[in-house]
Amino acid sequence: NAGVMQNPRHLVRRRGQEARLRCSPMKGHSHVYWYRQLPEEGLKFMVYLQKENIIDESGMPKERFSAEFPKEGPSILRIQQVVRGDSAAYFCASSPRSGGGGYTFGSGTRLTVV
Amino acid sequence: DAKTTQPNSMESNEEEPVHLPCNHSTISGTDYIHWYRQLPSQGPEYVIHGLTSNVNNRMASLAIAEDRKSSTLILHRATLRDAAVYYCILRAVDSNYQLIWGAGTKLIIKP
Repeated sequence: NAGVMQNPRHLVRRRGQEARLRCSPMKGHSHVYWYRQLPEEGLKFMVYLQKENIIDESGMPKERFSAEFPKEGPSILRIQQVVRGDSAAYFCASSPRSGGGGYTFGSGTRLTVV
Repeated sequence: DAKTTQPNSMESNEEEPVHLPCNHSTISGTDYIHWYRQLPSQGPEYVIHGLTSNVNNRMASLAIAEDRKSSTLILHRATLRDAAVYYCILRAVDSNYQLIWGAGTKLIIKP
């Protein structure tokens, strides 16, 4: 079991381009969470998804950001028209159910906007 | 969600026990206490969690105060690989997806 897989590990985008971050949860996990981390800070919740459903997107900016978790394939976090302030590490976590226990995190995608 | 307070950093010698404190004076009866750690350039790693009773696993022990307003993560014999930022987080059982992260404690292990 490879755990939570995120790709790419590093992503460089010019201002105005689109960034697509992918997350494959652990086998058997149907709950996916995206977090963002700025340098020297803790993680900030962005969005919680189950298969084909967004459960809570209260931490995600209303504009330019979107997330999906289709029936088949990985979860995608999409950032349109990236700006320098989007530069951060984006982590995905998964769990088998919504209650109790800990999350398993991926190694993250480090987005740099130039 | 209730907030937690941790020291910014701590130092410890290799092969000695480490006690990492966390204050959570506004904890509610349904909040679980979770600990994660993050090594440099890696994703967070689950360490341990508990509600009221002390907990042990292969990684660490969690000691929870009787009034639940504080807890301590105990690494019984620290190694250089335990150098990381340790986060103490409260997770409400009815708000069971969001983890509210603070800045954590940076643990430095001296050889």
